[in-house]
Amino acid sequence: AQSVSQHNHHVILSEAASLELGCNYSYGGTVNLFWYVQYPGQHLQLLLKYFSGDPLVKGIKGFEAEFIKSKFSFNLRKPSVQWSDTAEYFCAVISLNNNDMRFGAGTRLTVKP
Amino acid sequence: NAGVTQTPKFRVLKTGQSMTLLCAQDMNHEYMYWYRQDPGMGLRLIHYSVGEGTTAKGEVPDGYNVSRLKKQNFLLGLESAAPSQTSVYFCASTSSWFEQFFGPGTRLTVL
Repeated sequence: AQSVSQHNHHVILSEAASLELGCNYSYGGTVNLFWYVQYPGQHLQLLLKYFSGDPLVKGIKGFEAEFIKSKFSFNLRKPSVQWSDTAEYFCAVISLNNNDMRFGAGTRLTVKP
Repeated sequence: NAGVTQTPKFRVLKTGQSMTLLCAQDMNHEYMYWYRQDPGMGLRLIHYSVGEGTTAKGEVPDGYNVSRLKKQNFLLGLESAAPSQTSVYFCASTSSWFEQFFGPGTRLTVL
């Protein structure tokens, strides 16, 4: 089965700083890739997804992610973070072979005003 | 259109007790999933279903059973609860593009 690694457990940034969260996965087959966000006390919401085509995908709230197939990576970026981006971010991979979905351990982002 | 709902929202069990968590979706999705979320471990897949009458094991299936008798419902059962099953449980259903829609979660404590 596939697995997902998120490199940073906790990231602390000041407002207007740039953000990059790392995500690597291991799986030899065809996958779809996702980033989800979980605001405090809420359930997960989809930020963006990659299925095929342009490896640079744009999501909600100014987030984007780049799929680099050769590196099995799907890093999340935002040029300028806001205090309201404080949340936990999860990378996820679904195998198109068996529909098995796996999440990374998550990265907690704290944005200081 | 309620999306994905979960009942109950909270539950406290004693070790050895059993319970069933209910997940319901009104989006006509084929695929449904049960996860548990623990601090520092993200979401871990317990079981999932790709259609009515079918289920499959995920990453951490031991101690849990599931049933999908109706397309809109996915039940997660704990036959004999253990403290290690204290967690927040999330159900999700998936559109044809595998975008998962999550329920609000069930916080379970096993004493």
